[in-house]
Amino acid sequence: ELKVEQNPLFLSMQEGKNYTIYCNYSTTSDRLYWYRQDPGKSLESLFVLLSNGAVKQEGRLMASLDTKARLSTLHITAAVHDLSATYFCAVDILGNQFYFGTGTSLTVIP
Amino acid sequence: NAGVTQTPKFQVLKTGQSMTLQCAQDMNHEYMSWYRQDPGMGLRLIHYSVGAGITDQGEVPNGYNVSRSTTEDFPLRLLSAAPSQTSVYFCASSYSTSSGYGYTFGSGTRLTVV
Repeated sequence: ELKVEQNPLFLSMQEGKNYTIYCNYSTTSDRLYWYRQDPGKSLESLFVLLSNGAVKQEGRLMASLDTKARLSTLHITAAVHDLSATYFCAVDILGNQFYFGTGTSLTVIP
Repeated sequence: NAGVTQTPKFQVLKTGQSMTLQCAQDMNHEYMSWYRQDPGMGLRLIHYSVGAGITDQGEVPNGYNVSRSTTEDFPLRLLSAAPSQTSVYFCASSYSTSSGYGYTFGSGTRLTVV
């Protein structure tokens, strides 16, 4: 059974602090995706990581992929309130079927 | 360009009723899929389609039917609604590129079964 696990599930952090969200998956895949979801909204694509060692950055968010460890990280630098949302990782195993992690609910406190 | 359009946005059903959640895309994407989102469980794949006339089951297909008669439309049918099907449903369309798969999600349908 394929598993995609994220931790932590809930994260409360102060503005200006740094933190990392972890995404582990249980099978071989070279493609890992990160999404953001605001309450009551749909999913917004953040990053697509396509190979081992891939690193992508957008603003205060940086994502990386280690396919050998089956691990992706989403690092938050100097958090701001606007980053409060739920973040999902997803693994693309069979082409166009995504298997999602459980999500990390991030709250940034002023 | 509307992207992926889901209707209705909200629906309340009684146990045992049937209904169809509509999903349409205008991007000529070959792949379409349905997910349900439950608290603490992320999104789980219900059914997917790799092209008109071709569908297959995902992780949680029981209680749902799909068909894909055209590239644009991918309706999800609940045959006999149960409270366990209370969830938020997302339709997505996608296409393959050299950079992986480009996924576009609809805005979701919030379904409550009482």
